[in-house]
Amino acid sequence: GQQVMQIPQYQHVQEGEDFTTYCNSSTTLSNIQWYKQRPGGHPVFLIQLVKSGEVKKQKRLTFQFGEAKKNSSLHITATQTTDVGTYFCAGPDSGGSNYKLTFGKGTLLTVNP
Amino acid sequence: DGGITQSPKYLFRKEGQNVTLSCEQNLNHDAMYWYRQDPGQGLRLIYYSQIVNDFQKGDIAEGYSVSREKKESFPLTVTSAQKNPTAFYLCASRGKGINQPQHFGDGTRLSIL
Repeated sequence: GQQVMQIPQYQHVQEGEDFTTYCNSSTTLSNIQWYKQRPGGHPVFLIQLVKSGEVKKQKRLTFQFGEAKKNSSLHITATQTTDVGTYFCAGPDSGGSNYKLTFGKGTLLTVNP
Repeated sequence: DGGITQSPKYLFRKEGQNVTLSCEQNLNHDAMYWYRQDPGQGLRLIYYSQIVNDFQKGDIAEGYSVSREKKESFPLTVTSAQKNPTAFYLCASRGKGINQPQHFGDGTRLSIL
């Protein structure tokens, strides 16, 4: 079945350092979504990428979708303590259901102030 | 997300007992989902429903059951057949249309007594 892998599993940074998490799918994706889950909270949708090579920015966050639409990355510039949480990528099920998402295991980011 | 209500927030189950987790949404979404989250395991799909009176098994449906009698409600029953039910359970919903994001409730934390 479809697999979505994320690396690294954990990342600890000093406040002000940059952070990147990578997402790789075993199949070509029609789109990829990113979610953030704060400690003790629930996942919250951040963004969706649809086009090959697409780059989108949200303030200090930069999201990229690979040319082959099988990989994606999230880069945070100058991390802040408010960035702490687990970042998940998710792609539609390769079985054809537009309703199912396969989530990566997530990258837990901790920030030392 | 304010439109999805999960209850209770914490639940304790005795051995051999079935328990039901509630999920209600007022977003008028057709699709609803149940995920299980264990530390370091990401989100694993238990069941999902695209429309009232219809639902499909996800990746880890064994030991769980659901019903979808109303559009706004999608309760999950954790049966005694689920031998390791301790986890964080998240309900989500999604609107119509291609590539719509999922919106999550605050979750229910289930523990064994």
